[in-house]
Amino acid sequence: AAGVIQSPRHLIKEKRETATLKCYPIPRHDTVYWYQQGPGQDPQFLISFYEKMQSDKGSIPDRFSAQQFSDYHSELNMSSLELGDSALYFCASSIRQGSSSYEQYFGPGTRLTVT
Amino acid sequence: AQSVSQHNHHVILSEAASLELGCNYSYGGTVNLFWYVQYPGQHLQLLLKYFSGDPLVKGIKGFEAEFIKSKFSFNLRKPSVQWSDTAEYFCAVNGRDGGATNKLIFGTGTLLAVQP
Repeated sequence: AAGVIQSPRHLIKEKRETATLKCYPIPRHDTVYWYQQGPGQDPQFLISFYEKMQSDKGSIPDRFSAQQFSDYHSELNMSSLELGDSALYFCASSIRQGSSSYEQYFGPGTRLTVT
Repeated sequence: AQSVSQHNHHVILSEAASLELGCNYSYGGTVNLFWYVQYPGQHLQLLLKYFSGDPLVKGIKGFEAEFIKSKFSFNLRKPSVQWSDTAEYFCAVNGRDGGATNKLIFGTGTLLAVQP
């Protein structure tokens, strides 16, 4: 079965640079979530989109922005990168259909290292 | 405030030992409960979930969990662990309030090491 695809899988950037992470949800899934997992920490919710509209916002820095496109893929744009942004960034998708709305399928993550 | 707490941060077991990982949550409203597993270097995989109905749910790889509403708990169990169960286990919750978001709130994780 098709899974959530994230690219790139690894990314190394320097401080103050920008980065763009991409997420391709499972086909027919209309909702995308972004989570950040710092070293040794639990995943923290950043932002979510449903039908190309932002549906919720968590602890996402103002330096970050995201959007969902007409094909439902999503991009997380990160600017003025800081050392503390080094983390694993997960994307998850779900389909808003009854109880399936509550279940999220995670991608493999993008490991961002800021030097 | 919404939160999930996992009591054990590190657990070391021998193969064939029984496992129980504790999870308690604080959430206003009806909840959905999940256990995810993260093998070294891999992404989060769903072990099992509870939405409603029978509070004892069975998941993949022989894992099960019991929802005890009065205790706000959703403990994960496995009668006999294997070396391949070495991983980090996350308890998570989201709400059934029909709101616009179903963001997951995760516990801090339990690192399980199974010794052969």
